[in-house]
Amino acid sequence: DQQVKQNSPSLSVQEGRISILNCDYTNSMFDYFLWYKKYPAEGPTFLISISSIKDKNEDGRFTVFLNKSAKHLSLHIVPSQPGDSAVYFCAAPNQAGTALIFGKGTTLSVSS
Amino acid sequence: EAGVTQFPSHSVIEKGQTVTLRCDPISGHDNLYWYRRVMGKEIKFLLHFVKESKQDESGMPNNRFLAERTGGTYSTLKVQPAELEDSGVYFCASSRGPMETQYFGPGTRLLVL
Repeated sequence: DQQVKQNSPSLSVQEGRISILNCDYTNSMFDYFLWYKKYPAEGPTFLISISSIKDKNEDGRFTVFLNKSAKHLSLHIVPSQPGDSAVYFCAAPNQAGTALIFGKGTTLSVSS
Repeated sequence: EAGVTQFPSHSVIEKGQTVTLRCDPISGHDNLYWYRRVMGKEIKFLLHFVKESKQDESGMPNNRFLAERTGGTYSTLKVQPAELEDSGVYFCASSRGPMETQYFGPGTRLLVL
């Protein structure tokens, strides 16, 4: 039973536009969320995180929004660049706070 | 600072054979994790070391998998005997503390024929 869900396997966006990647979770005990980015043949790289005490966290072109009542978070990339083309994983630490629970990932393709 | 390294990058073996994967964490990182991604699915946690001790091995699929971290430095993950369903990408990650950012290695792509 998946606790972290990314229901869109892929997303295509034009360069300069906004990319919005979505993630839903089922466990209301989760209090911290992370986004990882993965290029082919590489491991996931940490991108941005958000604590449940916040509803928004911004880092340059990347912003993560958290809606606790809906158990939903989203990653916004503005403006999107071709180099952003990668697989994006949403993750949350397990209740012990150590292992990460990942979604299946969303493949973002940004065309120039 | 060198990142997490994994060896080999690829391994193709036949069902029933043994394979050993190695992970070298970032220097000074006491926490080491193993994860696996089967094609098209999510990255799944296998186990977590703090130094040489196994803190959580709840994700290990069965007793064909054995992980060690002797001396608290590098770690090995042995699969013996390998089955077809063990194919996937095995990632290692490390962090300084248990609640800190996990840094991932490039993964070992294992194919069991």
